[in-house]
Amino acid sequence: AQKVTQTQTSISVMEKTTVTMDCVYETQDSSYFLFWYKQTASGEIVFLIRQDSYKKENATVGHYSLNFQKPKSSIGLIITATQIEDSAVYFCAMREGLGYQNFYFGKGTSLTVIP
Amino acid sequence: NSKVIQTPRYLVKGQGQKAKMRCIPEKGHPVVFWYQQNKNNEFKFLINFQNQEVLQQIDMTEKRFSAECPSNSPCSLEIQSSEAGDSALYLCASSPGLLNQDTQYFGPGTRLLVL
Repeated sequence: AQKVTQTQTSISVMEKTTVTMDCVYETQDSSYFLFWYKQTASGEIVFLIRQDSYKKENATVGHYSLNFQKPKSSIGLIITATQIEDSAVYFCAMREGLGYQNFYFGKGTSLTVIP
Repeated sequence: NSKVIQTPRYLVKGQGQKAKMRCIPEKGHPVVFWYQQNKNNEFKFLINFQNQEVLQQIDMTEKRFSAECPSNSPCSLEIQSSEAGDSALYLCASSPGLLNQDTQYFGPGTRLLVL
C-alpha cells in the first residue's frame, strides 16, 4: 500500500497566483515527519519545507507554507505568488519510526507556471 | 542549493558492464543515503551509511551493487553487472544525523542509461 499519496499528477497555474498541492499519508506512528521537495528539470532535488507531526502550527518558509490537517492525515503545500522558476515536480515525503529506510515518497505533482 | 556533490551527472553503459558513481556528502553530514528514482518518479531506497559503516541495505543492493563510504574519500555506488532495468536516476542524500526528524539533502543525481 502506498504510504504517501499525491493524487494530482500535474497542475498548471498563471504566474503570481497561489497553488495548493495535495498529499495524504498513512502511518501508525504517533510521531512522524513530513517533508516537501522540489525536483527541477535537471533532476536536482531541493528541500523546501517540513512539518513535525507534534507541532500544531503550520510551517512557513518564504513563499511556501503547509496546510497540516492531522486528523485527515493530510499535508498540503501552498505556494503563494508563484514564479516561472517554481515550475518543477513537487514530492511529498514522510519519515516514520526508527528504521533508516523508512523514508517514503509520493509520486510527485508536476507544476507548470504560465507567464 | 544542494551541497551534496555527485559525479558523473550522466553515465552510459552496456549490459554487463560495471557502472560506478560517486557522492560527496554535505560537510559535517555523517549519514549518506542512496536512492534509485525510476522513470515513473518512484523512489527506491538502496543503502545508507553512517560514516564508513553500512546501516541498512535492500536485497538487490546486497547482491548486485557494491557501495562504500571510505574515510576522506567520496562515497561510491557501483553496479557490478548493469542490466537494462538499472537505467534510472541515482540520488545520493546526506543527513546531519540518524534521527528520523533529520532532513535529507539530495545531490543532483547520476542518470544511468544501460543500453
